Amino acid sequence: ETGVTQTPRHLVMGMTNKKSLKCEQHLGHNAMYWYKQSAKKPLELMFVYSLEERVENNSVPSRFSPECPNSSHLFLHLHTLQPEDSALYLCASSQGASRGQGADGYTFGSGTRLTVV
Amino acid sequence: AQSVAQPEDQVNVAEGNPLTVKCTYSVSGNPYLFWYVQYPNRGLQFLLKYITGDNLVKGSYGFEAEFNKSQTSFHLKKPSALVSDSALYFCAVRDGFSGGYNKLIFGAGTRLAVHP
Repeated sequence: ETGVTQTPRHLVMGMTNKKSLKCEQHLGHNAMYWYKQSAKKPLELMFVYSLEERVENNSVPSRFSPECPNSSHLFLHLHTLQPEDSALYLCASSQGASRGQGADGYTFGSGTRLTVV
Repeated sequence: AQSVAQPEDQVNVAEGNPLTVKCTYSVSGNPYLFWYVQYPNRGLQFLLKYITGDNLVKGSYGFEAEFNKSQTSFHLKKPSALVSDSALYFCAVRDGFSGGYNKLIFGAGTRLAVHP
């Protein structure tokens, strides 16, 4: 275990469903990230939260809605997804919210494998 | 803008042979460089990093990487490959502090296949 826990590990959902992905870290990190990893494509950064504020939103469709209620938890709410949204969704955290930090890189969870049917 | 390139989609090597996975970077200022490994249906795991100091960095599972400033490279190496090293490898460079957080730029990944 890396210290970043993602649940569920696998999720199958219909296009009309609403579901949520959860990420939890107890590493004392102050920045959290959502990435999408599709087959044969580079990692796509979706959202970044720094000190619980969203600081980056990389043109992600509104059917993906992030939430960061505190520095230890990050959610990705999903609704009316499309089959092309099927992918591995990775959460990461880091000490990254101030200029002097960043030497330790990111810690990743094991991901949620999402299949949209 | 900062960037990182992994020029090979796949590297094939026989078990017991040395392996190299290539990474080049473009960054203004002093680079922070990282290597991560990803096994199937898992997240990325940290292998090693270069921040400052000795150009040869040693990491987990017997891997090492050599920082070469003149060639702007940070190639990952291992003297003797194992079948269990077969995985996807990502190089990353810190893009500095922008937008309120320390940003890492990841390469596209290189798939390493070690054959018995």
